[in-house]
Formats: sequence, C-alpha cells, structure tokens
Amino acid sequence: GENVEQHPSTLSVQEGDSAVIKCTYSDSASNYFPWYKQELGKRPQLIIDIRSNVGEKKDQRIAVTLNKTAKHFSLHITETQPEDSAVYFCAASIAARGNTGKLIFGQGTTLQVKP
Amino acid sequence: DAGVIQSPRHEVTEMGQEVTLRCKPISGHNSLFWYRQTMMRGLELLIYFNNNVPIDDSGMPEDRFSAKMPNASFSTLKIQPSEPRDSAVYFCASSFLAGAGEQYFGPGTRLTVT
Repeated sequence: GENVEQHPSTLSVQEGDSAVIKCTYSDSASNYFPWYKQELGKRPQLIIDIRSNVGEKKDQRIAVTLNKTAKHFSLHITETQPEDSAVYFCAASIAARGNTGKLIFGQGTTLQVKP
Repeated sequence: DAGVIQSPRHEVTEMGQEVTLRCKPISGHNSLFWYRQTMMRGLELLIYFNNNVPIDDSGMPEDRFSAKMPNASFSTLKIQPSEPRDSAVYFCASSFLAGAGEQYFGPGTRLTVT
C-alpha cells in the first residue's frame, strides 16, 4: 500500500545550526506534500507545503525541496531557534483509486534545538 | 473563524463503555478527516468524508469503531465497546474539496480507557 518514510526520527541541533528532515513516498501520482509542526500537547499545524509542479519553495527560515523522479522531499530549517523544537510530520497526497484530499503521514521527527 | 471544534477535550472511561467524540468542521469545508495519534503508531487516518459521504474507512481498526456525518457541520466517531488499547488522542481535521489542500486540525480529544 501507499506509505511515507521519514528520517531521522529524532534530531538534535545547536541553536543557529540548520536542520534537515527527509521523506520518501511510494505513490508516483502524489502531487501535494505538506509539512506539519506539532508542539507538545498541541494540534499539528501546517508550516509549508509544495505541489508537484514546483521543485522548491521557501518561506523565511524554512524551505522544502521535491524530487519527483526519486520520490523524495525534504524540509530545511535554517538558523534554528529553541521555539523550533517540536515534532515535524511530512505527508503526501494519495491519488490512487480517485481518492482526493487523503494524506499519508510520515512517522514524525522530534527536533530539539539546544540553546 | 473558530476553527475546527472538537468535544470533549478529555474523556476518561472504563473498558466496555461507549464513547462518542464530536467534531464541527470549519464552515465551507467539504472534507472531514478523523485521525488517531499514539506514540507507537503515530498519526493514523481512520476515516474521511467528502460532502458528508464516507470515502475511505480502511483505517478504522475494527467494527467497534463507527463514524457518521449527518450534515456538513457535524461528525461523530463512536467506539463501542471501548478497550484500553483505544487510549489515544483523536483529531478531527477539515479541508476544502477539489484536490489535496491544507488540512486544519482540531485541538483533539484525549481518550483514556481504564
């Protein structure tokens, strides 16, 4: 079945360093790839997303890159700050069998930014 | 906009009892999703609706789980009978139809079954 693999499961960086989280997906028809941030005890919230007709998207300190040929996409956070500490989830849309709007989530990456 | 509303926020119940979780999606959204989150299994999609119609319930664990969406502004997820392994945070999310788009999550319901 469709799945999304996310690595690493945990990531610890020093404040000011960059953090990179990588995901691979299996459904070659996937065309929407969001990233969610979930702080402890809170709901997941969208931080950035990318569609398959774009290779890269940037929003201030965060960026996402997409390689459709290799079926992988990555989240890049530069100049990390303690408030970036959270669990980050990648997701990919599922297009098989006419499903629209359904997302498959990765397992999550716990990012810790040390002051 | 009030966002996605879920109730109750916390539920503690004894094994064997019926549990009903409620969700009000954002007005104008056509798709509604029920997720379950645990440490072991992460964020799992249980079922989702488009225009109040269930589209994919392949994630529903077993017959003890059922979900309904009687109208565009209300959905329920019912567990009967509940078991300790059902303990988790249950999120409801909504989005616009017409392809994949941002899903807006509710605050979640933390369910504990003793």
